Amino acid sequence: SQQGEEDPQALSIQEGENATMNCSYKTSINNLQWYRQNSGRGLVHLILIRSNEREKHSGRLRVTLDTSKKSSSLLITASRAADTASYFCATDPPGWGGANSKLTFGKGITLSVRP
Amino acid sequence: EAQVTQNPRYLITVTGKKLTVTCSQNMNHEYMSWYRQDPGLGLRQIYYSMNVEVTDKGDVPEGYKVSRKEKRNFPLILESPSPNQTSLYFCASSSLSEKLFFGSGTQLSVL
Repeated sequence: SQQGEEDPQALSIQEGENATMNCSYKTSINNLQWYRQNSGRGLVHLILIRSNEREKHSGRLRVTLDTSKKSSSLLITASRAADTASYFCATDPPGWGGANSKLTFGKGITLSVRP
Repeated sequence: EAQVTQNPRYLITVTGKKLTVTCSQNMNHEYMSWYRQDPGLGLRQIYYSMNVEVTDKGDVPEGYKVSRKEKRNFPLILESPSPNQTSLYFCASSSLSEKLFFGSGTQLSVL
């Protein structure tokens, strides 16, 4: 099944720096979603970007989508220690009536923000 | 408060002893789904449901059962658990094509 692949697998930065995480996928999508997971807890939705959108913002988060390159990036600006978590991209392919029924997650990026 | 409630949070059992992990959501969502998360494998979908009495297999359904008799509840049943089902399980729900809400997870160990 289609799967987003995140890059890098792990990222360590200093508090205050920006963190950029990338996601690539193989086939067309309906939308792409980013989630955060704190140490074994449930995933929390960050941003959903649809295939006809190129950029979205939410607070310190900025997501871009390039459907020609089949890639997305998540930028966290002015990072904080509390941003330490795993980040996942998830792709929703078209043709399944929506509803996330075929939403497929990547393996995640581990972000460590050093105080 | 909008939430997905999973129980139990931790469960240790023995091979072959039937168990049920409950999942309930209070957001009137049509879509519900179960995932398992294993190191190095990410999240994999077990079963999903588009609405009451409508369920379908995900990527790794073997050894699991589900039911959707009410809109709010979507229990995961392991009829005869085996050690390879030791994993972290998540229930999730959403409105159609919108963001998923996840439960807090159930850490299952099958001895």
